[in-house]
Amino acid sequence: DTEVTQTPKHLVMGMTNKKSLKCEQHMGHRAMYWYKQKAKKPPELMFVYSYEKLSINESVPSRFSPECPNSSLLNLHLHALQPEDSALYLCASSRETGMEWEQFFGPGTRLTVL
Amino acid sequence: AQTVTQSQPEMSVQEAETVTLSCTYDTSESDYYLFWYKQPPSRQMILVIRQEAYKQQNATENRFSVNFQKAAKSFSLKISDSQLGDAAMYFCAYRSAAGKLIFGTGTRLQVFP
Repeated sequence: DTEVTQTPKHLVMGMTNKKSLKCEQHMGHRAMYWYKQKAKKPPELMFVYSYEKLSINESVPSRFSPECPNSSLLNLHLHALQPEDSALYLCASSRETGMEWEQFFGPGTRLTVL
Repeated sequence: AQTVTQSQPEMSVQEAETVTLSCTYDTSESDYYLFWYKQPPSRQMILVIRQEAYKQQNATENRFSVNFQKAAKSFSLKISDSQLGDAAMYFCAYRSAAGKLIFGTGTRLQVFP
């Protein structure tokens, strides 16, 4: 099983809403990542978790709150977002964070903030 | 800081022909990996091919091959016998020992029958 799943596929939320994105993998990977991708742009790294601990936060605003409850699951909690946060949010996982390990990407959640 | 540059925003190729996508990067590191990812309209990022910087031999995966010139910091992707299913956005990416994956701006490839 080389699949990373993400739910929901699409999400529309208001600026006062609280919502969560979910990412799951069952490949035994110990590194998980959140990326943000705006239209016609490359993905940009947001967070990296290694062995369920946050190892990299790319100066992401606090309205994005990641959580890694176990080695298979990664959440991204959203609160008080702005319209400019509308984007495709991609989750990825790899065996470990070392550069030799391939990152497997999920299909993404397309987020629209009204 | 490392940077990745893709100077071709769009490329097109006829089915069954060969096309080369360009990528250059800048780094002061000696050990790193380079990748080409494909992102079709479905938006799923798919790894096409990867190259370890310490290997002189160019990587090959079926119809996909790279021309890795370490001194010139160049990493181009050649697609042979292009197929309609190859149409996608292609991203060149750099990964360092710190583990971060840095993407170029992408090249949109169109394949015409």
